[in-house]
Amino acid sequence: EPEVTQTPSHQVTQMGQEVILRCVPISNHLYFYWYRQILGQKVEFLVSFYNNEISEKSEIFDDQFSVERPDGSNFTLKIRSTKLEDSAMYFCASSETLGTSGDFGPGTRLTVL
Amino acid sequence: SQKIEQNSEALNIQEGKTATLTCNYTNYSPAYLQWYRQDPGRGPVFLLLIRENEKEKRKERLKVTFDTTLKQSLFHITASQPADSATYLCALQYQAGTALIFGKGTTLSVSS
Repeated sequence: EPEVTQTPSHQVTQMGQEVILRCVPISNHLYFYWYRQILGQKVEFLVSFYNNEISEKSEIFDDQFSVERPDGSNFTLKIRSTKLEDSAMYFCASSETLGTSGDFGPGTRLTVL
Repeated sequence: SQKIEQNSEALNIQEGKTATLTCNYTNYSPAYLQWYRQDPGRGPVFLLLIRENEKEKRKERLKVTFDTTLKQSLFHITASQPADSATYLCALQYQAGTALIFGKGTTLSVSS
């Protein structure tokens, strides 16, 4: 069964460094999302992406964040200058059509030191 | 802003019993309400989706109800098994394709 994949599984970085988190959504899916989950807290929406543009973003998704679909398969989240509070699990999700469930990836654990 | 409350942080039941988890929300009803399972250190796994105009959905041992008057969804696992032990997340979606708004989850422990 197809699944969303994410790399790396764990990323450790120094505060102020740039990180790129990578996702490969399910191939026939059209809608892509990033969520994050700080340890012990709820899953929070960051951004949704459709037709090569951002369709919705949350307050968390400020100018330090960007997303890109550089080719037909990858979907990336870039954090330009990481802060300690960016430490979290970052989940990529995709869905086939509107009104369907999200298929989540296994997550990337980002640790900012 | 929308608030989502899941009845309790932890629920402990015995194997074979029915687990009932509650999701309450404020403000207006979502177009879709979804339930996910999350194991420690893993991503959420979709279980069931129920639409605003639906009262009940079933899938094997799982059942979801949606009461827009009470602003509540109930999630039932019948004949629970230790393998059902996990955190269960309720998520609201106001329009198709928009953000999922998650509750904090209820951690279910099923003992044998």
